[in-house]
Order: sequence, then C-alpha cells, then structure tokens
Amino acid sequence: EMVMTQSPATLSVSPGERATLSCRASQSVSSNLAWYHHKPGQAPRLLIYGASTRATGIPARFSGSGSGTEFTLTISSLQSEDFAIYYCHQYNHGHTFGQGTKVEIK
Amino acid sequence: VQVLDSGGDLVRPGGSLRLSCAASGFTFNTYTMSWVRQAPGKGLEWVSAIYGNGGSTFYADSVKGRFTISRDNSKNTLYLQMNSLRADDTAVYYCVKESSDYNPYPYFDSWGQGTLVTVSS
Repeated sequence: EMVMTQSPATLSVSPGERATLSCRASQSVSSNLAWYHHKPGQAPRLLIYGASTRATGIPARFSGSGSGTEFTLTISSLQSEDFAIYYCHQYNHGHTFGQGTKVEIK
Repeated sequence: VQVLDSGGDLVRPGGSLRLSCAASGFTFNTYTMSWVRQAPGKGLEWVSAIYGNGGSTFYADSVKGRFTISRDNSKNTLYLQMNSLRADDTAVYYCVKESSDYNPYPYFDSWGQGTLVTVSS
C-alpha cells in the first residue's frame, strides 16, 4: 500500500518569509507527484505537477523539486493568500494523497 | 474551466444519493473525470474515475459494488450514484477534471468546491 507522508503537519510562518514543505512516498513514484493548495470551503487548486512544473497561472514564488520518494514544495515569500493547507498527491500507482501541511500565520 | 458539483444531502444508512457535476470551459468528452472525497478530519481519497467516452470506469475498493460513476456528454455532466451508504461514506465529495484522457499518470487540474454528504440516522 502506497503511503504519502507530509511534514510538518503545521508550519507557522510570517508573511514575506520562505516556507518549505516536505512529502515522502513509501515507494518510488518517479516524478508523478502533484501539489495542491486548499482553503476549506473552496476548490483545491493545482500548483505543481510532474514534481516541478508549475500549473497555468501559478506564481513563480511556488517551486517544486524531488523525484523518487522525496519531494519538496517551496514558497519563496509568503503572501496572505498562501496561508492554507497543502496536499501532495502521487499518481504513479493509482492515486494517494498526503495528510496535508497547514501553513498558518506566525 | 469550471466544474460545479452538487447533490449532497443528509441520508440514512443504507440509503441512496446521486451527485452531479456540471462542467464548462473545456471539451468535456475528451477528458477523464474523477470523484475525490474528504471525510471530516481525514485526508483526501480518490473514489472513482470514468474515461471521456464513458467506456471504462474505475473504483476504489471502499466503494466498489455500491457506487456507480457515469457521464452524459450531451449535457457536459458527471454523476455519482451512491447506494448502500454507510456512516464512513460521510465526506465532502469533489468533482475533478483529470489532466487528459486515457492517461496512465493523470493528475487533477480542476476541482469543484465540493458537496457534503452526511450519512446518519
């Protein structure tokens, strides 16, 4: 069974600071990894696919890296709209999501 | 691109419910569509998918035999018929557009806002 583990569960960051989120897969998913931004009550939004490709309209402050089992989402300078929950999603073996990292205002 | 999911409600255990998803802004019949759910306090779980022409369907083990996904390409609408509902089916259900059709490695590029299904007596 594929398991996606995100860390930390909660990240407290000040506006303008950098945030680094991690996602680990229990087995290799190659580069078939996506990241989503989600505010409760709203539609989740695709940020990154293929581990490092920004989706259409996503600002350059969002970047993804990694392959195999270790992945990172970096937000270079947090804006107010970036405080949300972030999910990683592997689509190499079916679909499995991480439990999410909540990015909150410090 | 827009997907608008609807149909969530309070239903008793063992009951049935049909969710709908109206799609616009893209050529509906050329994309695989999925349903993804999130139970209260839990993570996201993929539920079901259907190819653009409706010819093939796929289900999570947790819903196989109880849920049926379908689509009406003439109406640009996706459905999820849910039967024999259980308390652990309680969740927000999201209609999701996949990145392409017949893709062995699809990600989800557009999501609905979600519709709440509550299964309780």
